[in-house]
Amino acid sequence: LAKTTQPISMDSYEGQEVNITCSHNNIATNDYITWYQQFPSQGPRFIIQGYKTKVTNEVASLFIPADRKSSTLSLPRVSLSDTAVYYCLVGDRGAAGNKLTFGGGTRVLVKP
Amino acid sequence: DTAVSQTPKYLVTQMGNDKSIKCEQNLGHDTMYWYKQDSKKFLKIMFSYNNKELIINETVPNRFSPKSPDKAHLNLHINSLELGDSAVYFCASSQVVWAVTQYFGPGTRLLVL
Repeated sequence: LAKTTQPISMDSYEGQEVNITCSHNNIATNDYITWYQQFPSQGPRFIIQGYKTKVTNEVASLFIPADRKSSTLSLPRVSLSDTAVYYCLVGDRGAAGNKLTFGGGTRVLVKP
Repeated sequence: DTAVSQTPKYLVTQMGNDKSIKCEQNLGHDTMYWYKQDSKKFLKIMFSYNNKELIINETVPNRFSPKSPDKAHLNLHINSLELGDSAVYFCASSQVVWAVTQYFGPGTRLLVL
């Protein structure tokens, strides 16, 4: 899997937009970018996946520039319940040897 | 309906004991995994089974032995527990092998005293 780098932590306030950027300089042609969210005392939860340009769902948006060497997870109008750790993963959706390794993630703290 | 369930949720035990953690998924997935999450939140894969066959066996002490009676269940048995085994253990499943989209259970918090 491509190595990823993301900030250790970010603080925000309720109602603000939170953007978390993940760097993945050695992303391969077949790799997808996937983000997971982990609330305290729970398992990680898949939130969004993309290959290029922009993907949006009911939870978040994912922006991927043309060179695909980074990606930005955008959480619109966060609430206290969005406090969690967010993990960025890069890999081929079906490649043999695709052993998922979650790094330390980005701890997002939403304050009132 | 819980997609991936684990039991027990908490496990406190003494060094040297043997314990098991059970996992079940009702998603109809072919592949199941065990992960270990340390205190720094790094989550590392330990084992993966596809249709009851072992496909990933990372560098894990042989005190850890996974067992898959059918593709909906993947249990983890740990012999001779050590202090360093204290962690949160997550079970996960995916529709296909090596998928980056995985569904995780709630975790089992193991504390070895």
